[in-house]
Amino acid sequence: ETGVTQSPTHLIKTRGQQVTLRCSSQSGHNTVSWYQQALGQGPQFIFQYYREEENGRGNFPPRFSGLQFPNYSSELNVNALELDDSALYLCASSLSIRGETQYFGPGTRLLVL
Amino acid sequence: KNEVEQSPQNLTAQEGEFITINCSYSVGISALHWLQQHPGGGIVSLFMLSSGKKKHGRLIATINIQEKHSSLHITASHPRDSAVYICAVGGAQKLVFGQGTRLTINP
Repeated sequence: ETGVTQSPTHLIKTRGQQVTLRCSSQSGHNTVSWYQQALGQGPQFIFQYYREEENGRGNFPPRFSGLQFPNYSSELNVNALELDDSALYLCASSLSIRGETQYFGPGTRLLVL
Repeated sequence: KNEVEQSPQNLTAQEGEFITINCSYSVGISALHWLQQHPGGGIVSLFMLSSGKKKHGRLIATINIQEKHSSLHITASHPRDSAVYICAVGGAQKLVFGQGTRLTINP
C-alpha cells in the first residue's frame, strides 16, 4: 500500500467525450505527477503539479489538463477523447519536486471506443 | 534510440535462480529508480539510487554513473517475483521510463 488512491479503477468512454480521473495523494505530499501507460509500453510523463501549479509537462496536447487541490487530491482531465487515449493512467505523489521517491497509485484503466 | 534502454525485454527462469536486469540511459540524471509492476497495473517503487549500491531483502540495485548503467539483481528468485520491472531516470520534474522487463519465475 502506497497511500495513493485513484478513481475510478476502470472507465469506458466513446471518442469525442471528456473524462476526469482522480488521485488522492499521501498527506503532506505537495507534488503529484501523472503518467500515461499504453499497453506493453513504459509510462510516459504527462505533467507534474507542485503546490497547485503546473510544474512541467511532457509531450501531450493541451486537451490533457490537470488540477491540484490543497487537500492533496488532484485531477487529470482529457477532452475530445481519441482512440489512442486508451491506456492506464497513473498518478504518483512525492514530498517535493527534488526528484525524491514517487509513490504510485494503482492506476485508472481507460478504454476509448 | 530511447533515452532509457532495458535488457532483456523478457526473462523466464526457474525458482531459485539469480536474476539480473540491466538498464542503460543516455541522459543526465539526479536519480535512477527501479519499479515493480504487477498484472493489474499497480507500480511499487523498489529503489531510488544516485550512486553505489542498495540492498533490500533479496533485491540488490547497483548504479555506475560514469557508464550510465544500472543493474537490478534478485537472489533466490521465487514465483512471486514474477512481474514487470521498470527502470526510470529522473531529475526534478519528471521520470523517463524504460520499456520494462517482463520476468517470469517458474516453480
